[in-house]
Amino acid sequence: QVQLVESGGGVVQPGRSLRLSCTASGFTFSNYGMNWVRQAPGKGLEWVAVIWYDGTNENYDDSVKGRFTISRDNSKNTLYLQMNSLRDDDTAVYFCAKGSGGSGFSYFDHWGQGTLLTVSS
Amino acid sequence: SYVLTQSPAVSVAPGKTAKITCGGNNIGNKGVHWYQQKPGQAPVLVVYDDSDRPSGIPERFSGSNSGNTATLTISRVEAGDEADYYCQVWDSRSDHQGVFGTGTKVTVL
Repeated sequence: QVQLVESGGGVVQPGRSLRLSCTASGFTFSNYGMNWVRQAPGKGLEWVAVIWYDGTNENYDDSVKGRFTISRDNSKNTLYLQMNSLRDDDTAVYFCAKGSGGSGFSYFDHWGQGTLLTVSS
Repeated sequence: SYVLTQSPAVSVAPGKTAKITCGGNNIGNKGVHWYQQKPGQAPVLVVYDDSDRPSGIPERFSGSNSGNTATLTISRVEAGDEADYYCQVWDSRSDHQGVFGTGTKVTVL
């Protein structure tokens, strides 16, 4: 069965950096696009970024463009989110979500349980 | 950027029908996906591509999409359907970004 396990969350000061990871199993990771979606405490879902199955294309929400970088290592079945210049409003649970297809236009058919990032001084 | 608007809350009695709407400019031209999220849990896909259901999702969940409104319908509502529901599309006009609706809290009376 498909499993997505996020890690790397924690408490970080504003302006600092952090990298999240998502380890995948139960499917051929290199065949599918992958996404990060976040949810601030008590708020709705917010899409963050997508990466194509082969890593050749990425797209970002305007709120993180230029600060966050999505990447993947298909040899390790792992998705990453490098987050720089963190701000208070980046505080959220970060979910990785598997796309239903290889490109970035697919729906999210499986989700991890999320990892909490708190940005606070 | 593309905006999806959902009513904040819907209340429904058990056994009745709940309709959750998702409004967006010409949303009928896009594929709409719906997710259910219960407190403290990850979202779960309940309808994709406007009206298709993933395996394991009851037939009570159905979807439609036309014009400026997409709709998720839950028939014969059960207590276990109480959750937040989000619509989602891809906005290909502006650098291909994902967009979620504002979310609807469904309360079963």
